[in-house]
Amino acid sequence: EAGVTQFPSHSVIEKGQTVTLRCDPISGHDNLYWYRRVMGKEIKFLLHFVKESKQDESGMPNNRFLAERTGGTYSTLKVQPAELEDSGVYFCASSQGAGIHGYTFGSGTRLTVV
Amino acid sequence: DQQVKQNSPSLSVQEGRISILNCDYTNSMFDYFLWYKKYPAEGPTFLISISSIKDKNEDGRFTVFLNKSAKHLSLHIVPSQPGDSAVYFCAANRDSNYQLIWGAGTKLIIKP
Repeated sequence: EAGVTQFPSHSVIEKGQTVTLRCDPISGHDNLYWYRRVMGKEIKFLLHFVKESKQDESGMPNNRFLAERTGGTYSTLKVQPAELEDSGVYFCASSQGAGIHGYTFGSGTRLTVV
Repeated sequence: DQQVKQNSPSLSVQEGRISILNCDYTNSMFDYFLWYKKYPAEGPTFLISISSIKDKNEDGRFTVFLNKSAKHLSLHIVPSQPGDSAVYFCAANRDSNYQLIWGAGTKLIIKP
């Protein structure tokens, strides 16, 4: 079974540019989550999809961040325009059922805004 | 306001000895706690968990202890092995909400 896949693994962009991160969850997993870890700090929740619907987006920092999950399969997280404080590692996770026991994380996308 | 705190950024332990990683939390409504392990360039992987109705959970070399009155939990690894070198995250959950609240992690280094 393929795991959670994230693209790209690393992205370096200039302040003001746009970046789109992609996450392919494990096939059949209805639940998809985005988390972010800023350098050396705690991992923070961004949002949660159930299929194509946003179940909880309370962790999204501001309206420069847009997440989509068209068709309930892969998800994208777009940052536009990027700011320096957006730098960090963005993790995606998926799970099949309800609850938090079955999270599987991807390897993350390291975003550096210069 | 950080609700889950791991106050030791790093910990160095001799191979074969016990590693003890600590985690404190402030929200008494948390009812489930998890430990994740993370290697460089990889995502966190689930290690062990404990419900608030228990005070201990054991899985092989890994044991998690929960002290609700002190709002403190700890992960014990015995004996420590070189492959245990990683960053360990403590996370908490409330009411089976999907959202996990994480600590900042502790980097464990096992010395040969």
